Amino acid sequence: AQSVAQPEDQVNVAEGNPLTVKCTYSVSGNPYLFWYVQYPNRGLQFLLKYITGDNLVKGSYGFEAEFNKSQTSFHLKKPSALVSDSALYFCAVRDEVYNFNKFYFGSGTKLNVKP
Amino acid sequence: GAVVSQHPSRVICKSGTSVKIECRSLDFQATTMFWYRQFPKQSLMLMATSNEGSKATYEQGVEKDKFLINHASLTLSTLTVTSAHPEDSSFYICSAPGRGETNYGYTFGSGTRLTVV
Repeated sequence: AQSVAQPEDQVNVAEGNPLTVKCTYSVSGNPYLFWYVQYPNRGLQFLLKYITGDNLVKGSYGFEAEFNKSQTSFHLKKPSALVSDSALYFCAVRDEVYNFNKFYFGSGTKLNVKP
Repeated sequence: GAVVSQHPSRVICKSGTSVKIECRSLDFQATTMFWYRQFPKQSLMLMATSNEGSKATYEQGVEKDKFLINHASLTLSTLTVTSAHPEDSSFYICSAPGRGETNYGYTFGSGTRLTVV
């Protein structure tokens, strides 16, 4: 079965410092991986995706993610965190094998960026 | 492009009443839309897949008669919570297959906070 895991419920980082939000995946077939961000009482906003190609994917708001096949990871990163980055982040994988419409979301990681 | 509009953003209703939530694709046609439910501090749970012109496909454990889904046109899907109870209070989010930069992904509505009193 397809799944993603976000091992950290919460990540705290000081403004200006680099941040990493972790995600590991388990899939049958090729991984279609995504990161979304959710602000309070809002829907999810697309940040970036990995379908194929370069392992380092650049996305919105200065975020990037590194696809690592050997470690089955897709960690979200940003070189310099902003207070406004504080939000809930979800990693997701699309089911390429059984139901291409189905996404599997991680449990979410709350990012707190302190001034 | 690829904007999904969800309405209302917040609704409070009495127990036993029904509530309808609308999800519209504004600048594209969506033959398929998805309805999620999110509990506080938890991830999204797929409730059902809405298919234009045919019956919705419900995930295991989701009551079809309680959560009525209608996808009457290529731009509109509705979720009706029937005979609502306080345990139905939750955050409901719709989505549609993405376009452009979100291709292969989803475009999400802004969500509806339902409170049943």
